[in-house]
Amino acid sequence: GAGVSQSPSNKVTEKGKDVELRCDPISGHTALYWYRQRLGQGLEFLIYFQGNSAPDKSGLPSDRFSAERTGESVSTLTIQRTQQEDSAVYLCASSPSSGLAGGSYNEQFFGPGTRLTVL
Amino acid sequence: GDSVTQMEGPVTLSEEAFLTINCTYTATGYPSLFWYVQYPGEGLQLLLKATKADDKGSNKGFEATYRKETTSFHLEKGSVQVSDSAVYFCALRAGAGSYQLTFGKGTKLSVIP
Repeated sequence: GAGVSQSPSNKVTEKGKDVELRCDPISGHTALYWYRQRLGQGLEFLIYFQGNSAPDKSGLPSDRFSAERTGESVSTLTIQRTQQEDSAVYLCASSPSSGLAGGSYNEQFFGPGTRLTVL
Repeated sequence: GDSVTQMEGPVTLSEEAFLTINCTYTATGYPSLFWYVQYPGEGLQLLLKATKADDKGSNKGFEATYRKETTSFHLEKGSVQVSDSAVYFCALRAGAGSYQLTFGKGTKLSVIP
């Protein structure tokens, strides 16, 4: 079946512009995550959505970053007034649930990422 | 806070060579440990996992053992193939009630014929 998809695959923008990154999770997955990977670094957690619960935004690096999710479907990560340090690969993942129920882990399925370059 | 440290890459091996990629971690509580793999042009995929001390995760000929005493989860494979060329990420999920993954920086493996 279809995996997690992200668009665009590459985005080049000028400093100060706003960008929107899109994630389509696997159908039926209630949990959705955004991560960022800067060059030479590991993945950094940004934000987590679980069903209709309030999202965990604790990983967002500044108020220029925001994300929305419509129900249990598409999510959009928006970066306003982009800076050069925002250049990174932005990865989205989804899972059937957070894995909290019963203590079992539900694998996170990752999309291919969006490579953002801010000039 | 939680962190994962894995060996710097890139690593270049000849086909059929033995592979070890070291991974150590620091975490509060009792984490679950994972290895993810990213093949060229593809998304991250879970390769194997271990949820408690002395557990051995294995998949596609790769193995890693959860060593609590040394806080390590080294990835090994006895005989690598060209198709194993990828970037490998070690990750942890903190104990019960946690959901986010903490990743290492990744190790790029290139296997040459």
